[in-house]
Amino acid sequence: GENVEQHPSTLSVQEGDSAVIKCTYSDSASNYFPWYKQELGKRPQLIIDIRSNVGEKKDQRIAVTLNKTAKHFSLHITETQPEDSAVYFCAASGDDKIIFGKGTRLHILP
Amino acid sequence: DAGITQSPRHKVTETGTPVTLRCHQTENHRYMYWYRQDPGHGLRLIHYSYGVKDTDKGEVSDGYSVSRSKTEDFLLTLESATSSQTSVYFCAISSGESYEQYFGPGTRLTVT
Repeated sequence: GENVEQHPSTLSVQEGDSAVIKCTYSDSASNYFPWYKQELGKRPQLIIDIRSNVGEKKDQRIAVTLNKTAKHFSLHITETQPEDSAVYFCAASGDDKIIFGKGTRLHILP
Repeated sequence: DAGITQSPRHKVTETGTPVTLRCHQTENHRYMYWYRQDPGHGLRLIHYSYGVKDTDKGEVSDGYSVSRSKTEDFLLTLESATSSQTSVYFCAISSGESYEQYFGPGTRLTVT
């Protein structure tokens, strides 16, 4: 079955700098890659997703890139702000199920 | 937030007792999912449903059963709760027309 690895597990960046979270997946049949943000005590929220026919997608300060050949995908957050502090999960899906990475705790330092 | 509710939101129970968690949606979505979230493990799929009375196992299904008798309700049952089932349980829904999943508010279950 699908396996998703996510790195790093913890990331601290200065406010205003960029943050990058990387994921790899194992199943070449996967074709949908969502990213979720989870604030403390809250539910995971879908923030952006990418499908296998697209290499990059942007939404304001966040962007995702996908390299299907290498089975890598990444989340990029530019001009980080205090409200970006949260746990971020990557995931991969090729059928009815989504398999999640273990998460990255992002700290934005003042 | 999508129209998803979970009940109860918090529960403390003793080892060996049965527990049922409920997920209710008002979106008429075809797919419903149960996940558990534990520190260091992310979100792990327990069971999911792709229609009324149609369910399948996920990664961590041992010790859990599910039922879906109506489109809007998906029940997760722990037949005999164990301390290893202490966790936060999230329900999620998906239309099936896209892969996007939307999560409920979660249920914190403590088994003592």
